[in-house]
Amino acid sequence: AQSVTQLGSHVSVSEGALVLLRCNYSSSVPPYLFWYVQYPNQGLQLLLKYTSAATLVKGINGFEAEFKKSETSFHLTKPSAHMSDAAEYFCAVSALSGNTPLVFGKGTRLSVIA
Amino acid sequence: DSGVTQTPKHLITATGQRVTLRCSPRSGDLSVYWYQQSLDQGLQFLIQYYNGEERAKGNILERFSAQQFPDLHSELNLSSLELGDSALYFCASSVLAGGGVDEQFFGPGTRLTVL
Repeated sequence: AQSVTQLGSHVSVSEGALVLLRCNYSSSVPPYLFWYVQYPNQGLQLLLKYTSAATLVKGINGFEAEFKKSETSFHLTKPSAHMSDAAEYFCAVSALSGNTPLVFGKGTRLSVIA
Repeated sequence: DSGVTQTPKHLITATGQRVTLRCSPRSGDLSVYWYQQSLDQGLQFLIQYYNGEERAKGNILERFSAQQFPDLHSELNLSSLELGDSALYFCASSVLAGGGVDEQFFGPGTRLTVL
């Protein structure tokens, strides 16, 4: 079974500050990990994904995440927050086999203060 | 725009009623997934269809059913609606049968309100 825990349902940062959104996973098989972003009144958009290649994954809009197996973590970071980054962020886990759907965390709402 | 379309955008109905949500996947995608997003449960996988056949099942209630048609569009049927069914229902599609390498593209969702 797989699960994801996102620490902090709400994170608030100042514009220009570092963004750090935390995600820890549990998986009995090698995981594939994803970060999705949901803007108000919109569907989910893939930010980045880890598929067992490089442990440091770069995504869209300046975001990146690092897979740390020893810590079972996949935290999302961005060096400098922009007002347009305000949204809900979801971490998700899947596995290689075809019958394992995405399992999402509860989400973290990111607020960016001017 | 992900290329996945969902109709209707909003749906308001009463308890005990039945509704149908529709999803058209991206061109070429064979898999369709349905998810429910609510404040208390978060984003939960309901069911997946691949090329017309049920592929995986999640936390889908017996009052809910889905199907995928030959043209690959999918419908999610919700019956005997309860207040707790009020949620945002997302459809996603992917090229293959699923798994980590198979990226899912999400539609804009249907917001269901049960009064």
